[in-house]
Amino acid sequence: SAVISQKPSRDICQRGTSLTIQCQVDSQVTMMFWYRQQPGQSLTLIATANQGSEATYESGFVIDKFPISRPNLTFSTLTVSNMSPEDSSIYLCSAPRGVQETQYFGPGTRLLVL
Amino acid sequence: GESVGLHLPTLSVQEGDNSIINCAYSNSASDYFIWYKQESGKGPQFIIDIRSNMDKRQGQRVTVLLNKTVKHLSLQIAATQPGDSAVYFCAENKANRDDKIIFGKGTRLHILP
Repeated sequence: SAVISQKPSRDICQRGTSLTIQCQVDSQVTMMFWYRQQPGQSLTLIATANQGSEATYESGFVIDKFPISRPNLTFSTLTVSNMSPEDSSIYLCSAPRGVQETQYFGPGTRLLVL
Repeated sequence: GESVGLHLPTLSVQEGDNSIINCAYSNSASDYFIWYKQESGKGPQFIIDIRSNMDKRQGQRVTVLLNKTVKHLSLQIAATQPGDSAVYFCAENKANRDDKIIFGKGTRLHILP
């Protein structure tokens, strides 16, 4: 199985500030994905982080609010900008790995915005 | 519209019994389905997957059944254990969505002692 790590594991932030979440994969992957999981709910895809090009955002998510970087094939960051309490969620990254391209997930970053 | 959803939000099963978690999907273009287990405070963990050219796949204590006629997916867990307590998500990948995985709503499985 893949090893995907995220930093920070959790944070408490003040509204109006921004937080950058890091995702590291233990080997090179073509695509990385960022998801949001609001309390008690399922995972919603935010965007696809493409290496060497801009991220591709899903409906309802915009680059100004969730800028993404993908500097190389093992690393990506997601920034939650100008945070409000509604941004309190778990943010997860994932990447397909292995012969079957199984999608593996990081442990998530638990964000609480006050 | 498109949806991958589950019929029951919570399922309670006696320890040692078998459990069945169901999932319905609406997009016949989906060709790959995955079950994930999410324990409290952790990210989703891959359990088992199945492609649309199959109707059954077995793993260790788990079986996934796919009925394309009625667009139904199920996860069977044999001889449930306390460690099986978690939220289970079905997810789908559409052939034209570049590995994007779309999640269903989730079912919380509670194992009774």
